[in-house]
Amino acid sequence: DTAVSQTPKYLVTQMGNDKSIKCEQNLGHDTMYWYKQDSKKFLKIMFSYNNKELIINETVPNRFSPKSPDKAHLNLHINSLELGDSAVYFCASSQAGLANTEAFFGQGTRLTVV
Amino acid sequence: KNQVEQSPQSLIILEGKNCTLQCNYTVSPFSNLRWYKQDTGRGPVSLTIMTFSENTKSNGRYTATLDADTKQSSLHITASQLSDSASYICVGSSGTYKYIFGTGTRLKVLA
Repeated sequence: DTAVSQTPKYLVTQMGNDKSIKCEQNLGHDTMYWYKQDSKKFLKIMFSYNNKELIINETVPNRFSPKSPDKAHLNLHINSLELGDSAVYFCASSQAGLANTEAFFGQGTRLTVV
Repeated sequence: KNQVEQSPQSLIILEGKNCTLQCNYTVSPFSNLRWYKQDTGRGPVSLTIMTFSENTKSNGRYTATLDADTKQSSLHITASQLSDSASYICVGSSGTYKYIFGTGTRLKVLA
């Protein structure tokens, strides 16, 4: 009964590969997010979707392509992986916007590109 | 430029002691300010949320303050426990869909 679940939890892959991270929320929330946490533990927004529509794209390279088949799922596909993509990626969801509601985070996916 | 700065970067205290973490923020437009706790290997979990008009908010042993004039917030932890060891992240909400995260304070509570 995990609220926001991501798979896989760990992902090790070689440079140049294409990989996907899946995210599902069972909270009935309208908005979902992808965040990247770098080695300095700094979290930064990548994408935000509201009811399957892209709301925020924070100058993320177009090698990153989010896909939202329905409002309970927001998957992240990454093409041509680079060493600098190594980080922990967090999915989150909130009921509508963040002005009055909080975001609930998944456990994170630790991506290591070798 | 939107940014959130936290201090100290890391902190070690003995179990049972109190501590205070600091946050300075420049977020516009400003909606609210949150403190999140992130355990190692886990996602952040919300502790408190304060809007522009709120000065203080408590959640058990955690008490957050907000000074909207100086754009400063603090998180006070009372009677610390070993389980309080984590990163504490100050987060400003800007507009409807954007969080501005601080770099966090890593707290270590020793027995």
